[in-house]
Amino acid sequence: RKEVEQDPGPFNVPEGATVAFNCTYSNSASQSFFWYRQDCRKEPKLLMSVYSSGNEDGRFTAQLNRASQYISLLIRDSKLSDSATYLCVVILGNTGKLIFGQGTTLQVKP
Amino acid sequence: DTEVTQTPKHLVMGMTNKKSLKCEQHMGHRAMYWYKQKAKKPPELMFVYSYEKLSINESVPSRFSPECPNSSLLNLHLHALQPEDSALYLCASSQDSPGQGAGGYTFGSGTRLTVV
Repeated sequence: RKEVEQDPGPFNVPEGATVAFNCTYSNSASQSFFWYRQDCRKEPKLLMSVYSSGNEDGRFTAQLNRASQYISLLIRDSKLSDSATYLCVVILGNTGKLIFGQGTTLQVKP
Repeated sequence: DTEVTQTPKHLVMGMTNKKSLKCEQHMGHRAMYWYKQKAKKPPELMFVYSYEKLSINESVPSRFSPECPNSSLLNLHLHALQPEDSALYLCASSQDSPGQGAGGYTFGSGTRLTVV
């Protein structure tokens, strides 16, 4: 079983749609959680950290459920510029090992 | 300066060549990382340096040799690579020691390596 699992998609949605991505992680010692965005042939960039209390940044909402070892990302009012690969990322314990899910591809169409 | 700078951006090398990838950050970050990313795959951790000391080597073949000359610089020396080593090599840094704090990691734009 992969340490971090995501549905690779692709998710093809119209502009303005709401889309949700899910991610599960297998190691209960996982300590910190993030969503990264990666555009084609570019480096990953931090989108947001994920907390149990949930956090929101504009159109983006992230949520962590430690009991279920589940992380989510909700994007409201999708824009064309949201088209990218969204990577669920977990830090294992005190190792500093940043473990990436395989990424979920989003394509927002006009 | 909030960037991680990697050079070169592109590199083509033969299997008998020796080359080096360079990474630099001036954010005062104390942990630095090398990742390898193949097409349509997520980045995979290769090495972690914490306070200029190698703390994690993910069983990387010895043809890849990391070096951390000082707290701002991280090199990856390449020798006798194989065509399957062709990939995007990403450097990253984080403010805290690995695993400490909730700060995200900052990635460089990568070196796209082709081994011929």
